[in-house]
Amino acid sequence: QVELGESGGGVVQPGRSLRLSCVASGFTFSSFAMHWVRQAPGKGLEWVAVISFDGDNKKYADSVKGRFTISRDNSNNTLHLHMNSLRPEDTAVYYCARSVGSGSLDPDGFDIWGQGTMVTVSS
Amino acid sequence: DIQMTQSPSSVSASVGDRVTITCRASQGISTWLAWYQQKPGKAPKFLINAASSLQSGVPSRFSGSGFGTDFTLTINSLQPEDFATYYCQQANSFPLTFGGGTKVEIK
Repeated sequence: QVELGESGGGVVQPGRSLRLSCVASGFTFSSFAMHWVRQAPGKGLEWVAVISFDGDNKKYADSVKGRFTISRDNSNNTLHLHMNSLRPEDTAVYYCARSVGSGSLDPDGFDIWGQGTMVTVSS
Repeated sequence: DIQMTQSPSSVSASVGDRVTITCRASQGISTWLAWYQQKPGKAPKFLINAASSLQSGVPSRFSGSGFGTDFTLTINSLQPEDFATYYCQQANSFPLTFGGGTKVEIK
């Protein structure tokens, strides 16, 4: 079946880096735009970043622009989020999610979600 | 950025009740709106796209409506498995933004 599975979360000190990964299965990964969405403990959902089907186009939330980089490896059905200069306010569960529509960067909803991976930024 | 405001933030209801959740966008978004259901410790589940298009497998007691700035999610005949938090999300422009959530609790 269609699945997404995140990994790479953990506890990291402020200012350090972390890389999250999301492995897709059950669908043609290279045909879909993919997103990262996060949720701070006890809070709502916040969109983080999106990447087009081919990896050529990307967009970011202002809160992470210049610090986070989204990338993908279509040969291995894997999405990544490289997080640098981490701050305590980046503490959240990070979900990867599939875009509903085409593989381009059109705004859209999220039809498939992973189970999430927890990132805690603390000294 | 488009701000999404949900109301109420929480609602207490009984099995069999009808529940209506409202979502308001800070500017017109046509029908570019999605709804999600999230249970504690779980990922959100995609319920409705394009304001009113029910996703495959979602029970017909769920319905969505609206256009422009005002949208509603209605749950008819609330079932025990419907107690959860519901989020709206605008899909009109980046950055994609969510409402603050509505927690549907057991009365």
